Amino acid sequence: KAGVTQTPRYLIKTRGQQVTLSCSPISGHRSVSWYQQTPGQGLQFLFEYFSETQRNKGNFPGRFSGRQFSNSRSEMNVSTLELGDSALYLCASSLAGRVGLAKNIQYFGAGTRLSVL
Amino acid sequence: QKEVEQNSGPLSVPEGAIASLNCTYSDRVSQSFFWYRQYSGKSPELIMSIYSNGDKEDGRFTAQLNKASQYVSLLIRDSQPSDSATYLCAVNIGPNAGGTSYGKLTFGQGTILTVHP
Repeated sequence: KAGVTQTPRYLIKTRGQQVTLSCSPISGHRSVSWYQQTPGQGLQFLFEYFSETQRNKGNFPGRFSGRQFSNSRSEMNVSTLELGDSALYLCASSLAGRVGLAKNIQYFGAGTRLSVL
Repeated sequence: QKEVEQNSGPLSVPEGAIASLNCTYSDRVSQSFFWYRQYSGKSPELIMSIYSNGDKEDGRFTAQLNKASQYVSLLIRDSQPSDSATYLCAVNIGPNAGGTSYGKLTFGQGTILTVHP
């Protein structure tokens, strides 16, 4: 069974540009969550999508957005890139059952490392 | 106070010793608790999940949960050099105003563990 696939693995952009990252979840997983990881702030939750709907959102500016398609694949977009957006962006998928059950275990992809120059 | 806090590191133990990692969380409604391991340059990998008070053992790993005291710990027995990594405590903080928080994990800052031969 294939794991969570993120593309691309590495990206270099300049300030002001926009970027789109892609995530394909584990087959059968309907929830996709996105996280940003930086040395200073650690792993921070961006948002979660379930059945094409954003179900949870973290404390990030509106420049960060995402969407989910009917096949559960998800994309996140960052517009007007800033130097501080340089980070490892991680996608995780889960079966998204009720809280307290094993179905909400999240499995992470390899991540996309974004560098903003 | 941070929502999820881990004992400050780095932690260094000799090969064969027990490594003890601790984590406290602030939200009493939290239901799901996870330990992830992250090697340098890699994505987080799930080690343990725990939902009920008490101990849960899996091989050399034991997770302990005490909801009354709001802490969760991870013990690694017979530590090996290959266990050297950053260990992340993650908590599914209680439901948001919309009633769901399944896809949102809140992470501690991580504890760097080094097992030396």
